[in-house]
Amino acid sequence: EAGVVQSPRYKIIEKKQPVAFWCNPISGHNTLYWYLQNLGQGPELLIRYENEEAVDDSQLPKDRFSAERLKGVDSTLKIQPAELGDSAVYLCASSLQANRDEQFFGPGTRLTVL
Amino acid sequence: DAKTTQPPSMDCAEGRAANLPCNHSTISGNEYVYWYRQIHSQGPQYIIHGLKNNETNEMASLIITEDRKSSTLILPHATLRDTAVYYCIVSLGLRFGAGTRLTVKP
Repeated sequence: EAGVVQSPRYKIIEKKQPVAFWCNPISGHNTLYWYLQNLGQGPELLIRYENEEAVDDSQLPKDRFSAERLKGVDSTLKIQPAELGDSAVYLCASSLQANRDEQFFGPGTRLTVL
Repeated sequence: DAKTTQPPSMDCAEGRAANLPCNHSTISGNEYVYWYRQIHSQGPQYIIHGLKNNETNEMASLIITEDRKSSTLILPHATLRDTAVYYCIVSLGLRFGAGTRLTVKP
């Protein structure tokens, strides 16, 4: 069975440009997470979806970040406009249910903003 | 949200048991304790989780204190491939922290 798929794996953009990341979770997983990971630090939760509903987006910088999971399956995370400080790895994870089940992580997208 | 505290780094000799502690003194009654590890340039990998009882699987054992304020992950026979950053989190908070960098030495 395929794991969590993320694309692209790497992205280099200039500041003020928009960028989008895509995630396809494991089939049947209702919960989807987006994390940001800076070098040398642990992942930081940006947003959590239960099916198509964003149930925890308190850490998402809403002035420039947006996310959607329209049909409750795959998801897109967007940054517009990107800033130098957004350079990081963006991880997507999924689980059957929140709180009780383990998360399966994708390989991440490494974003470099120049 | 419950927060976890872990030592920043630990060393372990190859073939010996690695015991990684985690403090989660503010954990709520319905929160699970999860352990993940992350090898360089990969996404975190699930290891084990538990609520109040000790747990064991093919990768590790998890010992949770009776008051649930702390836990220990045990890798019974550490190998060089177990060198990684190990994260302890609680389920509702999902705050990973910086984790423990475990180095297994030959």
